[in-house]
Amino acid sequence: KAGVTQTPRYLIKTRGQQVTLSCSPISGHRSVSWYQQTPGQGLQFLFEYFSETQRNKGNFPGRFSGRQFSNSRSEMNVSTLELGDSALYLCASTLGRYTGELFFGEGSRLTVL
Amino acid sequence: QKEVEQNSGPLSVPEGAIASLNCTYSDRGSQSFFWYRQYSGKSPELIMSIYSNGDKEDGRFTAQLNKASQYVSLLIRDSQPSDSATYLCAVSSNYKLTFGKGTLLTVNP
Repeated sequence: KAGVTQTPRYLIKTRGQQVTLSCSPISGHRSVSWYQQTPGQGLQFLFEYFSETQRNKGNFPGRFSGRQFSNSRSEMNVSTLELGDSALYLCASTLGRYTGELFFGEGSRLTVL
Repeated sequence: QKEVEQNSGPLSVPEGAIASLNCTYSDRGSQSFFWYRQYSGKSPELIMSIYSNGDKEDGRFTAQLNKASQYVSLLIRDSQPSDSATYLCAVSSNYKLTFGKGTLLTVNP
């Protein structure tokens, strides 16, 4: 059974640009969550989607957005990139409604120059 | 602000010893508690979940929960060098999972 797949794995952007990250959950999983991980702040919750609806959102500015498609695949977008957005962005999926028992992808490492 | 606190470590134990990792949380309404392990350069993986007060054992791992004290711990018996990783405590409340910053565990051969 394939795990959670995130693309791209690495990317470099400059300030002011925007970026879109993609996540394919484990087959059959309907809930997808996104996290930002940095050395200073640790893992911080961005948002959670279930059946194409955003169910929960963390304390991030509106520049961070996401969506989920009917096949449960999800994308997150960050607009007007800032240096502080440099981080590992992790996607996680779970079978049903958000349970906390998450399966993480390998992450997308974003560097903003 | 709901918080989950862990000692950052590093916690260093000799091979074969018991490693004890601790976590406190601020939200009394929290319902579910998890321990994730993250190897350097890898993504977190779930190793234990606990939902009610008391102990839960799985192999060499024991999770302990005390809701009155708002305290969760993870014991690793017979620690192995392969257990060297960062251990993340996560607490769920209202369908949102909050992670601690993690404790770095080093098991010395």
